[in-house]
Amino acid sequence: GNSVTQMEGPVTLSEEAFLTINCTYTATGYPSLFWYVQYPGEGLQLLLKATKADDKGSNKGFEATYRKETTSFHLEKGSVQVSDSAVYFCALSGYNFNKFYFGSGTKLNVKP
Amino acid sequence: DARVTQTPRHKVTEMGQEVTMRCQPILGHNTVFWYRQTMMQGLELLAYFRNRAPLDDSGMPKDRFSAEMPDATLATLKIQPSEPRDSAVYFCASGMGLAGGNNEQFFGPGTRLTVL
Repeated sequence: GNSVTQMEGPVTLSEEAFLTINCTYTATGYPSLFWYVQYPGEGLQLLLKATKADDKGSNKGFEATYRKETTSFHLEKGSVQVSDSAVYFCALSGYNFNKFYFGSGTKLNVKP
Repeated sequence: DARVTQTPRHKVTEMGQEVTMRCQPILGHNTVFWYRQTMMQGLELLAYFRNRAPLDDSGMPKDRFSAEMPDATLATLKIQPSEPRDSAVYFCASGMGLAGGNNEQFFGPGTRLTVL
């Protein structure tokens, strides 16, 4: 079956620290991979995506590389800000998938 | 700036009452999804539509929940009768092309439902 597993949170970091949020997936076929972010009181919004193996998605200083050999799509940022405090969701989908499969979400708290 | 809109944003009701939540997908999008988010269960897919036809509603409690798309600009999620365990934030999302695909899902701001 299809599923996404994320590291459990919350993750608490100081401002300017390095961020990694782990995401691994199981899929039949060749999915696209996504990171969504949810700020307090809002809906989810797309942060970045990668559509095939070895692709790197990037946006707002965040990056994630689609690693087929390790079935992973870890989210990284070199220097987090307080404004990055949010819940981050890893997800998979694709042309042969009828829907999105979301991970459980990882809450990030960044302290000044 | 095209957005998914949801009404109401907040709803407080008493157990046993009917609740209707509405969603206006982005114009031109042909897939619509309903999700429920709670602290305990996280994000759950309730139902989704493609070209207004229901594709899967296996995530919904059938005895009390119903989802419809009366036209391309309106999706509704109804709970009758409501129960305290239905308290959650309900999100609508819309997208283009195939139900999944490589295309982004655009989420609405959600309806926060509290059933007393």
